[in-house]
Amino acid sequence: QVQLVESGGGVVQPGRSLRLSCAASGFTLSSYAMHWVRQAPGKGLEWVAVISYDGSNKYYVDSVKGRLTISRDNSKNKLYVQMNSLRTEDTAVYYCARGTSTWVQSPFDYWGQGTLVTVFS
Amino acid sequence: QSALTQPRSVSGSPGQSVTISCTGTSSDVGGYNYVSWYQQHPGKAPKLMISDVNKRPSGVPDRFSGSKSGNTASLTISGLQAEDEADYYCCSYTDTYTFVFGTGTKVTVL
Repeated sequence: QVQLVESGGGVVQPGRSLRLSCAASGFTLSSYAMHWVRQAPGKGLEWVAVISYDGSNKYYVDSVKGRLTISRDNSKNKLYVQMNSLRTEDTAVYYCARGTSTWVQSPFDYWGQGTLVTVFS
Repeated sequence: QSALTQPRSVSGSPGQSVTISCTGTSSDVGGYNYVSWYQQHPGKAPKLMISDVNKRPSGVPDRFSGSKSGNTASLTISGLQAEDEADYYCCSYTDTYTFVFGTGTKVTVL
């Protein structure tokens, strides 16, 4: 069955970096666009970034442009997000989610359980 | 990119119907048929309920339906059940190759 398992969250000081990973299983990662979506404590969902099935196209929400980088390694069935210059407002549960197809505009049909990132001084 | 506008809460008795609206602009909801809806129970990951405005993924009960008119999309839950009590979020693709979620609606079953 399809599974997405995030890891790498934790407590980090403002200005520092963190890399989150998402391990995919039960499907062929290279056939799907992949996303990161976050949710601050007690708040709504916020889409963060998408990467096309082959990694050639990447798009980001304005608030993370230049600080977050999404990437993938299809040979390892892994999705990543490198988070630099972290701010307190980046504190959230980060979910990886699978698009329903190779198209970056496809909705998100499977989600991981999320990993919590806390930016705190 | 501003969040899509949803009512903060809606409620209904078991068996009744409720409708959640999701208002955006011509740059997102009104410009594309790429509106989706997600259900989220407390402490759980979101679940896709409707894709492409009105398509129901396999396994989603047919009491969930979606529609769109202009810049406003809607999710209707017919025959409300206790397990439908959750937060619901709309989401739209936008003209900058990004996505935007709605503000979220809490559905309460009375």
